[in-house]
Amino acid sequence: EDQVTQSPEALRLQEGESSSLNCSYTVSGLRGLFWYRQDPGKGPEFLFTLYSAGEEKEKERLKATLTKKESFLHITAPKPEDSATYLCAVQAGADSWGKLQFGAGTQVVVTP
Amino acid sequence: EPEVTQTPSHQVTQMGQEVILRCVPISNHLYFYWYRQILGQKVEFLVSFYNNEISEKSEIFDDQFSVERPDGSNFTLKIRSTKLEDSAMYFCASSGTGGIVGNTGELFFGEGSRLTVL
Repeated sequence: EDQVTQSPEALRLQEGESSSLNCSYTVSGLRGLFWYRQDPGKGPEFLFTLYSAGEEKEKERLKATLTKKESFLHITAPKPEDSATYLCAVQAGADSWGKLQFGAGTQVVVTP
Repeated sequence: EPEVTQTPSHQVTQMGQEVILRCVPISNHLYFYWYRQILGQKVEFLVSFYNNEISEKSEIFDDQFSVERPDGSNFTLKIRSTKLEDSAMYFCASSGTGGIVGNTGELFFGEGSRLTVL
């Protein structure tokens, strides 16, 4: 059975304190791994897509990496506005495009 | 910046009543989706829609659910007879293309419609 597991469940950081979030997955034939950001009461907001092991994507203070079993979202020198829940999702096998399987998310709180 | 809009933002209904959730996807997108998130749980795929028909649906999307694109701009989710367990945030999403070539896999989500079934 396909699974997406994110850790930790919650993360509290001081402003400027870099850290990494983990997304481990077991899927049949990964077609894409996605990172989304979700603010309370809002819909997920797209951050990155990774297609193959070794791939990396960066956007401002965020950097996403992918191996054959897991992905990391690195947050460098975070600011309070980076506080959100970060969701990992996978597109697997023969599923139609856009059918994503989400993890439970990591809730990140960045304090000044 | 183009965005997906959803109405209503919150709907309260009695068990057994019909509910229609409405979405206006981004105008030039071709693929449309409904996801839901029960409070405190994962975001779950319900259905994908392309070229006026369902591309794929999950086990959750049973006969009580239906989708429709009644005109060139709206995309609706109908729940025929609501149950308590249908209480959730329902997200509409759209994307430009379905192929992997030249596609970032980026789904644009709306802000959601919170459905409360009493």
